[in-house]
Amino acid sequence: ILNVEQSPQSLHVQEGDSTNFTCSFPSSNFYALHWYRWETAKSPEALFVMTLNGDEKKKGRISATLNTKEGYSYLYIKGSQPEDSATYLCAWPLFGNEKLTFGTGTRLTIIP
Amino acid sequence: NAGVTQTPKFQVLKTGQSMTLQCAQDMNHEYMSWYRQDPGMGLRLIHYSVGAGITDQGEVPNGYNVSRSTTEDFPLRLLSAAPSQTSVYFCASSPSMGPNQPQHFGDGTRLSIL
Repeated sequence: ILNVEQSPQSLHVQEGDSTNFTCSFPSSNFYALHWYRWETAKSPEALFVMTLNGDEKKKGRISATLNTKEGYSYLYIKGSQPEDSATYLCAWPLFGNEKLTFGTGTRLTIIP
Repeated sequence: NAGVTQTPKFQVLKTGQSMTLQCAQDMNHEYMSWYRQDPGMGLRLIHYSVGAGITDQGEVPNGYNVSRSTTEDFPLRLLSAAPSQTSVYFCASSPSMGPNQPQHFGDGTRLSIL
């Protein structure tokens, strides 16, 4: 992997169910891994910045884990609600600085 | 609490016209950047700035110019618009340099070139 890859591209989840999706990144020279939530007609909003292997961060019903040795991060949403419908982006500092390379996102739709 | 402000929100141009997309932040952030968002692609970095008077190219800089005369403002100029520049443009800023600084985004400018 030379860049960040996200899967799946899109996901439909029933309201109340839990879900998760993946961001894969090059496992060598890890610096940080960012997650953003991007609601339709709004701007991307930072969720988490993961920096340490084994990191787990949480914000309400949303949490993220990080495995730098194998090059992936999971984003979990527990008990999905309609307001969780958004595109979730991950981003990686390709050159180890503030210049971020973004994945194409996972588009999550919560079905009421 | 303005954050990052982009103007205009929408714009339609004819091929060959020029225009400037405005971006201003009131958080005293050092780092500012411009991205474009196209269907099926991730946000792609156009230009960025690590402080007033300093700018550099990102991944897709051709056809765009930037300047950073103040900490607050980072305008993006299209000198001669082309249909390939039809896109949604986002300006972002972060407080300081480094790979673990979350970026704050503006609401975007939707630009159509006819």
